[in-house]
Amino acid sequence: TQLLEQSPQFLSIQEGENLTVYCNSSSVFSSLQWYRQEPGEGPVLLVTVVTGGEVKKLKRLTFQFGDARKDSSLHITAAQPGDTGLYLCAVMEYGNKLVFGAGTILRVKS
Amino acid sequence: NAGVTQTPKFRVLKTGQSMTLLCAQDMNHEYMYWYRQDPGMGLRLIHYSVGEGTTAKGEVPDGYNVSRLKKQNFLLGLESAAPSQTSVYFCASSRRDIRNTQYFGPGTRLTVL
Repeated sequence: TQLLEQSPQFLSIQEGENLTVYCNSSSVFSSLQWYRQEPGEGPVLLVTVVTGGEVKKLKRLTFQFGDARKDSSLHITAAQPGDTGLYLCAVMEYGNKLVFGAGTILRVKS
Repeated sequence: NAGVTQTPKFRVLKTGQSMTLLCAQDMNHEYMYWYRQDPGMGLRLIHYSVGEGTTAKGEVPDGYNVSRLKKQNFLLGLESAAPSQTSVYFCASSRRDIRNTQYFGPGTRLTVL
């Protein structure tokens, strides 16, 4: 079983639609990160959330850390084709190791 | 400022062959990492280094060796490649005091026949 469970695994939507992807665990974390990976590239850090209940916004992207610090969500408003990619959540384990979820593949069609 | 670079970008090997993947970073980061990415499994840590001359095992170290002779370089070696090592390999680096902010290279796609 994976430490981080991401859902859905795949999402295909039309430009302009809203969507939410999730990252869940049974463990409590001091912080959680979201990365976006475009085809043929390495992951790029989008945001780090550290406080239970914290909400961070990055343009049309809204990130929330669960109150109990076990889960997180990423909401995209009015999705655009440029949002297409693999969205990964990650947590630091044992101080030195970043552990990733399997990711959500998002495809936004124009 | 190139960030993290990886060579080669693509490679095809036959079972039993050996190769070395090179990672270089120009951000003066203390920590460096090697991950592999397989469909449906996210990124998994192979080995990492907390400084020049020091390496440690990650989640999936078997079949791989690493070396960090210079602070800016981190090498990943496959002594006898197996088809199970077909994957995309990513190198990353971070500062010692912000280890959860990692900067990734563009990846190396390796196929072992």
